[in-house]
Amino acid sequence: QVQLQESGPGLVKPSQTLSLTCTVSGGSISSGGYYWSWIRQHPGKGLEWIGYIYYSGSTYYNPSLKSRVTISVDTSKNQFSLKLSSVTAADTAVYYCARDQEGYLDYWGQGTLVTVSS
Amino acid sequence: EIVMTQSPATLSVSPGERATLSCRASQSVSSNLAWYQQKPGQAPRLLIYGASTRATGIPARFSGSGSGTEFTLTISSLQSEDFAVYYCQQYNNWPSLTFGGGTKVEIK
Repeated sequence: QVQLQESGPGLVKPSQTLSLTCTVSGGSISSGGYYWSWIRQHPGKGLEWIGYIYYSGSTYYNPSLKSRVTISVDTSKNQFSLKLSSVTAADTAVYYCARDQEGYLDYWGQGTLVTVSS
Repeated sequence: EIVMTQSPATLSVSPGERATLSCRASQSVSSNLAWYQQKPGQAPRLLIYGASTRATGIPARFSGSGSGTEFTLTISSLQSEDFAVYYCQQYNNWPSLTFGGGTKVEIK
């Protein structure tokens, strides 16, 4: 059973960089065949896809966030990470990592709330 | 960007009754449509992919139908654990993914 777990600071100051890591267990990122995505959900709102990474390091980002997003992978640790720069209060959200089966998201982490505030 | 619109925003249903949720795409997404269930404080859970294929472990009372721009999620007989928010999501434009705004299924 694949499990994903997000980790990182719950509070980030405006203009700084949000950094989160997703640790995958029960399966290897480097085995290929799957993509690894980040999704966020603003408080009380719907879901917004942020981007994905493949084990090879290839990435694709939501055009609306592309200028501020970097997703990276560390196959030795079976982890992938999200960096979102120049954050504002509008980036306050629950951030999820998930496994992407070329379109649908079959395993999700529990999510982590990141609040942007001074 | 493909816009996904769900209706109604809230659906009030009695336990044991049938629930029908709708999802419309702004342009054809073929059968590249997934449905998720989300309960308070939890991550979304995949219910349906390919518009009509149930994910592993999903009860048969959940069924999906449709193609192109019109889709339906039907819960044949609502159980107490089914009261939640449901989202549709298109992946015809993968890797770009877009979600609908959600339908909240509440107890009548």
